[in-house]
Amino acid sequence: EAGVAQSPRYKIIEKRQSVAFWCNPISGHATLYWYQQILGQGPKLLIQFQNNGVVDDSQLPKDRFSAERLKGVDSTLKIQPAKLEDSAVYLCASSLVSSTDTQYFGPGTRLTVL
Amino acid sequence: QKEVEQNSGPLSVPEGAIASLNCTYSDRGSQSFFWYRQYSGKSPELIMFIYSNGDKEDGRFTAQLNKASQYVSLLIRDSQPSDSATYLCAGNFGNEKLTFGTGTRLTIIP
Repeated sequence: EAGVAQSPRYKIIEKRQSVAFWCNPISGHATLYWYQQILGQGPKLLIQFQNNGVVDDSQLPKDRFSAERLKGVDSTLKIQPAKLEDSAVYLCASSLVSSTDTQYFGPGTRLTVL
Repeated sequence: QKEVEQNSGPLSVPEGAIASLNCTYSDRGSQSFFWYRQYSGKSPELIMFIYSNGDKEDGRFTAQLNKASQYVSLLIRDSQPSDSATYLCAGNFGNEKLTFGTGTRLTIIP
């Protein structure tokens, strides 16, 4: 079974630029999550989709972050404009139905904002 | 705000000994807990989950949950150098999302 795919693996941008991350979950998984993990901290949920609907986006900085999952499969997360404090690893995860099911994480995208 | 607290460590344990990792939480409505292992530069991977009070064993790993005292722990028996990693505790508080602790860095000393 293929795991969660993410791209790119690494990205370096300057502040105020925009960036987009892509995630393809495990086939058949209804729920998709985007987490932000700052060095030395645990993952923080940014947004959770179930199929193509948003379950929780309470911690998503909506003035600069956006995410979509148009066909209920893959998803993109965008930051525009980026700030220095956005430097982090962005993890995508998926689970079969809900967050009580095991979440499987992708390899992450390491973003550095200069 | 639902919180999951972990001692960030580092926790150093001799090879072959028992490593004990602890996590406390602030919400009595908590239903389930997950322990993830994260190697440096890698993504988290699930070790165990626990829903009920008591112990749950899986190989060298034992998860313990005490809802009255609001703590959950992970014991690693016969610790190996390959167990050196950061261990993340996460709770599902019935609101359809996981809240992660900051993680405890474990080092197994050969």
